[in-house]
Amino acid sequence: GAVVSQHPSWVICKSGTSVKIECRSLDFQATTMFWYRQFPKQSLMLMATSNEGSKATYEQGVEKDKFLINHASLTLSTLTVTSAHPEDSSFYICSAREGGTNQPQHFGDGTRLSIL
Amino acid sequence: EDQVTQSPEALRLQEGESSSLNCSYTVSGLRGLFWYRQDPGKGPEFLFTLYSAGEEKEKERLKATLTKKESFLHITAPKPEDSATYLCAVQAARGSQGNLIFGKGTKLSVKP
Repeated sequence: GAVVSQHPSWVICKSGTSVKIECRSLDFQATTMFWYRQFPKQSLMLMATSNEGSKATYEQGVEKDKFLINHASLTLSTLTVTSAHPEDSSFYICSAREGGTNQPQHFGDGTRLSIL
Repeated sequence: EDQVTQSPEALRLQEGESSSLNCSYTVSGLRGLFWYRQDPGKGPEFLFTLYSAGEEKEKERLKATLTKKESFLHITAPKPEDSATYLCAVQAARGSQGNLIFGKGTKLSVKP
């Protein structure tokens, strides 16, 4: 149980294009979904938290107009990197949580984004 | 400031050689401490949640313990398939959304 699917797993695109990443909870309803960014040998850095039907809460320093998050249903959240540039290249990981705040987050397998 | 420090950064063991990974934390009120395993190119896989000092949880060769300042992940008689990066994360009581603060992880390599 508690499977989270993230798609695509790898994206290579030109600078200036927008990229959409999907995160789905396959066998549970996710009251809250999270988006992280991970650099090599670094911690997972939380970018934003989203609850179904509400606006996402962004962490300090994360541009909300750059990283658009939509959480339209209890099983799907999307992250759109708008007008991506090489410095946006990274490993993006989503997680989903069912139930209360003390429940574990379950993670997708991440998306490797490379901007040329 | 809430902080999580994991040590060692990397650990190399021979198959069958037991050891422990450390996670030290400072947080204004601990709601929960989480252990995850992460394989290269993959997302973290949930292992354990610990909520209060003195609590212990076990799963196969892994055992997690918690004190007021740190948590240990004990690995008994590890196998090569236990090789991965182990991540520790804490959840502060004050966070309304239950956000996690992650350490940088311990990369474990188990040689046959």
